Amino acid sequence: NAGVTQTPKFQVLKTGQSMTLQCAQDMNHEYMSWYRQDPGMGLRLIHYSVGAGITDQGEVPNGYNVSRSTTEDFPLRLLSAAPSQTSVYFCRTGRLNTEAFFGQGTRLTVV
Amino acid sequence: GENVGLHLPTLSVQEGDNSIINCAYSNSASDYFIWYKQESGKGPQFIIDIRSNMDKRQGQRVTVLLNKTVKHLSLQIAATQPGDSAVYFCAENTPWNQGGKLIFGQGTELSVKP
Repeated sequence: NAGVTQTPKFQVLKTGQSMTLQCAQDMNHEYMSWYRQDPGMGLRLIHYSVGAGITDQGEVPNGYNVSRSTTEDFPLRLLSAAPSQTSVYFCRTGRLNTEAFFGQGTRLTVV
Repeated sequence: GENVGLHLPTLSVQEGDNSIINCAYSNSASDYFIWYKQESGKGPQFIIDIRSNMDKRQGQRVTVLLNKTVKHLSLQIAATQPGDSAVYFCAENTPWNQGGKLIFGQGTELSVKP
């Protein structure tokens, strides 16, 4: 997890609130992505970016927005939180087709 | 491929035995595969990777085998230790022209009995 910083580690939101999950890396990685992990399931890709100014949708993009204005940062925005978005969120960064690193995760609860 | 809300497959082994964890992947065009280990409350940790031009790759106490004919990966852990207890995920990297995304399998929970 070295060089990948996710904040916050824990968050509780009320339905309808908005928030931004932060992911920052200092390894000059072009590839950054967001996954969610639900109990008993593997990680599912939400959005990803192959470089500054470029983003694309993954498997489960609905309810989430992203932007990539710099190489270092890839924030994930929830505009109107729903209980179905209760999950653990992981940011992953790397270079294409090489070892990639995950952050420690953000545990989000929407009540 | 797709994840469904099922209980994770579980593998229980005795300390010192060898462990074999299997994984099937979906995209025959995938060209890069990774095994991750995830301990409770932590993010996935890289274990070993393999490219599609290889059949086998060895690391420290771990070996990954790739069978492209049947789209199957396996992770072998030699002399399994209690510290190996975790959930293990395989992941396939889709080619660049298909987005270069990492798609995770469901995961297998490895339990090591002392």
